[in-house]
Amino acid sequence: EVQLVESGGGLVQPGRSLRLSCAASGITFDDYGVHWVRQSPGKGLEWVSGLIWSTGSVGYADSVKGRFTISKDEAKNSLHLQMSSLRPEDTALYYCVKDMTPGGAEYWGQGTQVTVSS
Amino acid sequence: DVVMTQSPLSLPVTLGQPASISCRSSQSLVHGDGNTYLNWFQQRPGQSPRHLIYKVSNRDSGVPDRFSGSGSGTDFTLKIIRVEAEDVGVYYCMQGTHWPYTFGQGTKLEIK
Repeated sequence: EVQLVESGGGLVQPGRSLRLSCAASGITFDDYGVHWVRQSPGKGLEWVSGLIWSTGSVGYADSVKGRFTISKDEAKNSLHLQMSSLRPEDTALYYCVKDMTPGGAEYWGQGTQVTVSS
Repeated sequence: DVVMTQSPLSLPVTLGQPASISCRSSQSLVHGDGNTYLNWFQQRPGQSPRHLIYKVSNRDSGVPDRFSGSGSGTDFTLKIIRVEAEDVGVYYCMQGTHWPYTFGQGTKLEIK
């Protein structure tokens, strides 16, 4: 069974940092893209950042560019999102998403909640 | 970025009746490799999004055949031929042709 398990979320004050992690089981992050997608309370889905595993190419939404950094740990088959200078508008459920085909976003984790508040 | 526009945003449907959701993109979703990476997701209340359709019209394993996707270029449709109670939720289209991936606003399907 394929599972993506996110961790690292929590309550953090504005301006602080947080590091999210995504661990995969039943699947390897060896091809295509892996992404972070967030969903603010009661809102839609927003792509935050993505990484092409085979090439290391990365991308960021304008809203997080310069503040968030996506990275991979090949040895541990895991994905990370380092979030800095957090803002209240970053409050959301953050999903780890895996492409099984180009542009597919087939597998989603259960999400980890990030709340930015003083 | 590619803007994805769904309609309607709210879709009340009688059980057993059909439902249709439109998704339009601000630019062509035909990739340089010739494929069109348009996906549909279902999000039931309290759950993660579930992938239903990939490359416009291909159903994922386990997705009932009452769901179908169609379209080309910039204009796409998700149809449910007979809505069942378990279909309640929010449906999103998402393009994976261009980075960043972008989603439609979501269409909330409810039972009348």
